[in-house]
Amino acid sequence: GEDVEQSLFLSVREGDSSVINCTYTDSSSTYLYWYKQEPGAGLQLLTYIFSNMDMKQDQRLTVLLNKKDKHLSLRIADTQTGDSAIYFCAGGGAGNNRKLIWGLGTSLAVNP
Amino acid sequence: EAGVTQFPSHSVIEKGQTVTLRCDPISGHDNLYWYRRVMGKEIKFLLHFVKESKQDESGMPNNRFLAERTGGTYSTLKVQPAELEDSGVYFCASSRELWGAPTFGSGTRLTVV
Repeated sequence: GEDVEQSLFLSVREGDSSVINCTYTDSSSTYLYWYKQEPGAGLQLLTYIFSNMDMKQDQRLTVLLNKKDKHLSLRIADTQTGDSAIYFCAGGGAGNNRKLIWGLGTSLAVNP
Repeated sequence: EAGVTQFPSHSVIEKGQTVTLRCDPISGHDNLYWYRRVMGKEIKFLLHFVKESKQDESGMPNNRFLAERTGGTYSTLKVQPAELEDSGVYFCASSRELWGAPTFGSGTRLTVV
């Protein structure tokens, strides 16, 4: 069935780059999203990429998509303590199927 | 614009009781989604409304769950009777267009004891 996998934890030092990885099985996913959840808060859309793109950059965020390997990554440059949160990868279906399939989330800890 | 609002933020009920969760989407957003995260598991899709119609309810766990969106504005998700395994965080999201990225609410944490 459809599946999205992420590593559960990542720890980086402030100022370093963070790379959060995600693999997915549904090759028909048209949109791939990254959401961020801070403690006690909802799911905040960070960025998304269409399946016909390889890369998308938005300020400190860079998303890379390797369709052949079904691998998605989110790079956060100059990681700050405020970036500490859980990051979710989610894939959206084709046609009128708007159901998103989610990973378990990667908990990012940024150490001063 | 105001975001997606969910009420209550927390609910603790006993097994066998009924609970109704409410979601107010962003004004003008025809698409409304319910998702659920059970502790330790992935966020799972429950259903998708387009205006007042159920576009996809393939994720609803069983007939103890009833979602409505009368008038195409706010939505309710009723669980009756609640079971222990219904505990989790219920998220609502909305989008203006079918292909728009959903905006999520803060969720309702439901605990069934």
